[in-house]
Amino acid sequence: GIQVEQSPPDLILQEGANSTLRCNFSDSVNNLQWFHQNPWGQLINLFYIPSGTKQNGRLSATTVATERYSLLYISSSQTTDSGVYFCAVVNFGNEKLTFGTGTRLTIIP
Amino acid sequence: DAGVIQSPRHEVTEMGQEVTLRCKPISGHNSLFWYRQTMMRGLELLIYFNNNVPIDDSGMPEDRFSAKMPNASFSTLKIQPSEPRDSAVYFCASSLIMGTYSGNTIYFGEGSWLTVV
Repeated sequence: GIQVEQSPPDLILQEGANSTLRCNFSDSVNNLQWFHQNPWGQLINLFYIPSGTKQNGRLSATTVATERYSLLYISSSQTTDSGVYFCAVVNFGNEKLTFGTGTRLTIIP
Repeated sequence: DAGVIQSPRHEVTEMGQEVTLRCKPISGHNSLFWYRQTMMRGLELLIYFNNNVPIDDSGMPEDRFSAKMPNASFSTLKIQPSEPRDSAVYFCASSLIMGTYSGNTIYFGEGSWLTVV
């Protein structure tokens, strides 16, 4: 099956810092989503972005499908950004959303 | 709009007991997914339904697990008998998938936290 790798696995930043999270995938995809799992365990959908660039407030994401990677940018980090960020993909031919192992982000006040 | 609704939110049960987890997908969605999250294995897909029909159950760990979707607004995941290694967070999710086009957002419920002692 498709492999999804995320980096870095852990990231600790001071409040106000910027960060870039990366997601690499091993096959062509027709669906890529970024999720934030907050400290209470809720999985919140951030972006649906199989290609191109999107922005939502302090967050933006870019997927370069031909090179099989996606980036999530967080600017001016806040403590509420803490949690685990997952990239999940669906490759052509099936409907399964396969998750990466996540990046654990900790924002220190 | 109400999101994906799961129950119970938390359950502690003894080994050998039957556990039933319930899910109500978002109205109008035609696909429903059951995921399990553990520290060791991360988020893994157990089974998914499209138009109430199980499409792929290859992620169901063993015969002790079963899932049903009797109608478009309800699904259950049952574990019988339960074992301590089944302790995990079980997420239900739903989406609207048109044909084979997977280009739609998937929405997760808040999860059912299961502890088997």
